[in-house]
Formats: sequence, C-alpha cells, structure tokens
Amino acid sequence: DIQMTQSPSSMSASLGDRVTITCRASQDIGNYLSWFQQKPGKSPRRMIYGATNLAAGVPSRFSGSRSGSDYSLTISSLESEDMAIYYCLQSIQYPYTFGAGTKLELK
Amino acid sequence: QVQLKESGPGLVQPSQTLSLTCTVSGFSLTSYNVHWVRQPPGKGLEWMGVIWSGGNTDYNSALKPRLSISRDTSKSQVFLTMNSLQTEDTGIYYCNRNSGSYWGQGVMVTVSS
Repeated sequence: DIQMTQSPSSMSASLGDRVTITCRASQDIGNYLSWFQQKPGKSPRRMIYGATNLAAGVPSRFSGSRSGSDYSLTISSLESEDMAIYYCLQSIQYPYTFGAGTKLELK
Repeated sequence: QVQLKESGPGLVQPSQTLSLTCTVSGFSLTSYNVHWVRQPPGKGLEWMGVIWSGGNTDYNSALKPRLSISRDTSKSQVFLTMNSLQTEDTGIYYCNRNSGSYWGQGVMVTVSS
C-alpha cells in the first residue's frame, strides 16, 4: 500500500499568516493527490484535486503544489473559517490512502 | 443537484453484521464511482472500498475479508456489508462520489453489546 506521510500533525497560526501543509508519498503517485478540509461534526470537503486544481467554490487563497514526491497545500492568508483538520488522499492505486491529518488552530 | 445520504442502524452488537445504504440522487451509478470511507471517533479518515461505475469493486486489503460493496442501480442505492464487527469498527461511515467530489452527511455506527 502507498503510505502518505503528512506533516505537521498540528499547527497554530495567526490570522493573515501563510500556512503550508505537506504530504510525502512512499511511491510515485503522479498528480493523483487531493486535499480535504474537515470541520467538527461535518463531512470532509474537497479543496484541491489533481495536486494543483482548485475545487469548485473553494477560495483562491488555497492552492496546491508538487515537488517530486512532496505535495503541499498552502493557504496564502489565513482566515478564521480555515480552522479545521486537513487530509491528503492519494488516488492512483487501490487501496486509496489518506494522510493522518493536520489540525490547524488559531494562535 | 448531487446528493448522497447514508442510512443504517446506529447500534450493532459485536460479531454481528453491519449493513449500510447510500442513496444517491442527481447522478447515475452507472456513470460515477461511489466510495466508502470511515472515521473512528476523534481519529482520521480510512478508505474502505469502491464500486466502480461498471459494477466492479475494490477494497481496502485490511478489510477485504469482511467487506462487501454492491448496488441497485434502479434504486440509486449502494450497499456496504461488513461482518464480524468489533468495537474498533465504531465510527462515522461516509459514502462519496468519485474520490470525494461530493460526500454524504455520514452515519454514526456504534459497535457495543
């Protein structure tokens, strides 16, 4: 199975900060990487697909990038509504696998 | 609009079988894949399996001996069946379309006697 190593597991940041979360794939997954946001008591929401594509309705302050086997989700200017847990997901090979999650909190 | 809704028993006894239904609207099961994902309380997401638009299935290898996914396209329903349930199977079970573009609200399943 492909392992997705996500970091950090948690972080605190201030409003307006630039925030970056990273997932490293244990095998080549091409651009088959999505990012999800989950708020307490809610279903996950897809933010990024294909490593760099913004999902419909997602604010433009969110972006995705890839450098080799490292995939990043960046929030350019943190807003209060962005406090959530973020997960990456590889979808190139079954079984699909999620990262362990990053809890983003307000400093 | 696209909607998915999970349903099933909230409480299952240990060693028993779980049966969940995902009822979809706004799209055809013959055109889109439907996945199942679960989340233990306070923990992360686990991909369980998928039924392809063509009807084939793929499963998480750790769950494969216990898990089955099927569908009734005429009723727009996808079914998850998992046997030999244990307390560690407690959690929220979600269905979603095409690797997460749309999700259901989830259904909480508690395994307890």
